[in-house]
Amino acid sequence: DAKTTQPNSMESNEEEPVHLPCNHSTISGTDYIHWYRQLPSQGPEYVIHGLTSNVNNRMASLAIAEDRKSSTLILHRATLRDAAVYYCILIPPDTGNQFYFGTGTSLTVIP
Amino acid sequence: AAGVIQSPRHLIKEKRETATLKCYPIPRHDTVYWYQQGPGQDPQFLISFYEKMQSDKGSIPDRFSAQQFSDYHSELNMSSLELGDSALYFCASSSVRDGLINYGYTFGSGTRLTVV
Repeated sequence: DAKTTQPNSMESNEEEPVHLPCNHSTISGTDYIHWYRQLPSQGPEYVIHGLTSNVNNRMASLAIAEDRKSSTLILHRATLRDAAVYYCILIPPDTGNQFYFGTGTSLTVIP
Repeated sequence: AAGVIQSPRHLIKEKRETATLKCYPIPRHDTVYWYQQGPGQDPQFLISFYEKMQSDKGSIPDRFSAQQFSDYHSELNMSSLELGDSALYFCASSSVRDGLINYGYTFGSGTRLTVV
């Protein structure tokens, strides 16, 4: 199963952009790249996902490398509510298959 | 919008007792996943169901069993509880009919199980 590598922790100042990197060198051609975040004692929350092209939604942007071996989650203006553990997860397109969270990046937002 | 509902939110059991956790997916979602998250750890996959059939299995102990019912809700049954079973248990749902590529997985708020 394809795995991801993320930095254990990152810091950002409030209202500044944050770039959260993820390496997935063993990604298969059909795996989708998903990002979730988790606040303490809460369930993971979907942020964004993509396959090959960069993606934007109201929460964030996802930049995917041309060879798909890495991706970057971009929070355009970090707020205190963005402080969470961010997980980059590879998910195959077939429903029902397990997917792995990995260790995630703990983001601290400094006021 | 309706979310994934898990019950109970908190549960305290003694060693060797049994526990049943319930998960109600988003309406029209046909796939349910169960995850276990120990203190300070990342979520670990337990088991998943698609259209009421088990579709994948992870590191789920033999003391645990689960099923998905005709209304698509799922229950995780845990017997002979051990102290190490204390954790947050999450379920997530998704739907093939809605098109997986259009949506992410939706997680519930979890059940916190404490075994004493």
